[in-house]
Amino acid sequence: DQQVKQNSPSLSVQEGRISILNCDYTNSMFDYFLWYKKYPAEGPTFLISISSIKDKNEDGRFTVFLNKSAKHLSLHIVPSQPGDSAVYFCAASEMKTSYDKVIFGPGTSLSVIP
Amino acid sequence: DVKVTQSSRYLVKRTGEKVFLECVQDMDHENMFWYRQDPGLGLRLIYFSYDVKMKEKGDIPEGYSVSREKKERFSLILESASTNQTSMYLCASSSSGGYANTGELFFGEGSRLTVL
Repeated sequence: DQQVKQNSPSLSVQEGRISILNCDYTNSMFDYFLWYKKYPAEGPTFLISISSIKDKNEDGRFTVFLNKSAKHLSLHIVPSQPGDSAVYFCAASEMKTSYDKVIFGPGTSLSVIP
Repeated sequence: DVKVTQSSRYLVKRTGEKVFLECVQDMDHENMFWYRQDPGLGLRLIYFSYDVKMKEKGDIPEGYSVSREKKERFSLILESASTNQTSMYLCASSSSGGYANTGELFFGEGSRLTVL
């Protein structure tokens, strides 16, 4: 049973518009959430994260929103650029453990159309 | 520049062969991980290690083993490869846990294994 879910396998957005990628989780013990970006034939790279004590974190064009009561987070990319076309993985962990075991969702493939 | 290096980008093996996938990190990280990535399933954790000679099972350890003899090196072993182990294998590392840690994983470029 997947603890981290990304229900949209793919998303297409016009260049310059907003991209919204959604993620849901089931484990209420998760207290840290991350987004990773992956290009074909490369390893994932860290994009942005948020602790459960916050509800928003912003880094340039990327903003992550966390709704703990709904066990839902979203990644907003504004404005979207063609170089943002990649697979985006949502991930979660229980930071209080010493092993930093990170659980990933299945990913959403974003295509930004010029 | 921080780096996680996986020994082979592409491998083709036959059913029943023993396969070694090597991973080396130069960041002095305590934690190392092996994931496999499959379409629609995302990244699934096979094994991880939080110290030399220590290992913990992840979510899908069956058919795999690992070795961590040195801090910088973490090897994934397929004792007898099977076709359902055809996948992209990703190694990652991170610094030790606690609230001061960001939880960020640093990934290698991946090893694409095909088992015929």
